[in-house]
Amino acid sequence: GDSVTQMEGPVTLSEEAFLTINCTYTATGYPSLFWYVQYPGEGLQLLLKATKADDKGSNKGFEATYRKETTSFHLEKGSVQVSDSAVYFCALSDPGKDTGRRALTFGSGTRLQVQP
Amino acid sequence: DAGVIQSPRHEVTEMGQEVTLRCKPISGHDYLFWYRQTMMRGLELLIYFNNNVPIDDSGMPEDRFSAKMPNASFSTLKIQPSEPRDSAVYFCASSLTGRGYEQYFGPGTRLTVT
Repeated sequence: GDSVTQMEGPVTLSEEAFLTINCTYTATGYPSLFWYVQYPGEGLQLLLKATKADDKGSNKGFEATYRKETTSFHLEKGSVQVSDSAVYFCALSDPGKDTGRRALTFGSGTRLQVQP
Repeated sequence: DAGVIQSPRHEVTEMGQEVTLRCKPISGHDYLFWYRQTMMRGLELLIYFNNNVPIDDSGMPEDRFSAKMPNASFSTLKIQPSEPRDSAVYFCASSLTGRGYEQYFGPGTRLTVT
């Protein structure tokens, strides 16, 4: 079945450091890929997405490229801020043979802590 | 445009009591999802609906859990009787056919069963 594997956290960085959170996936079809962010006490918010190979999703300085050859969708940001401290979830949607299937498969989440 | 609305935001109840969680999806969205989040198990899909019809309830843990969607703007998740292991944050999310597969989440209900 489908699965998403994220690097374990917490990831602790100093402000303005470069961020990479690794995400790899397995899927039977041609999935869409997502990054969600969850701030303390809140629900998940869509951060960015990519729907086909080589697509780059970007938002708020974050970006991720859909790499079909390595089945990866790593999240990057060039200079993190304290306000980026949150839990980040990689997810995929893979309808496979069931084109009506809309469920997302989530990774376990990676906690990012940015220190001033 | 209002996002997904959930109520209550916090619920504390005693073991054996019935608990009802409520969700109002984004207007016009035709899919609704219920998730449970715990430290041990992460984010789990419980059930989802399309046009008010349950499509996949394979994630519902046991018969104590039930979900309904009587109309396009309202859904409930009920636990009867509740147990301490049901303590978690329950999220509702909605999405719209034709707008990709992204889901929009509510703020969650934090349930504590003592």
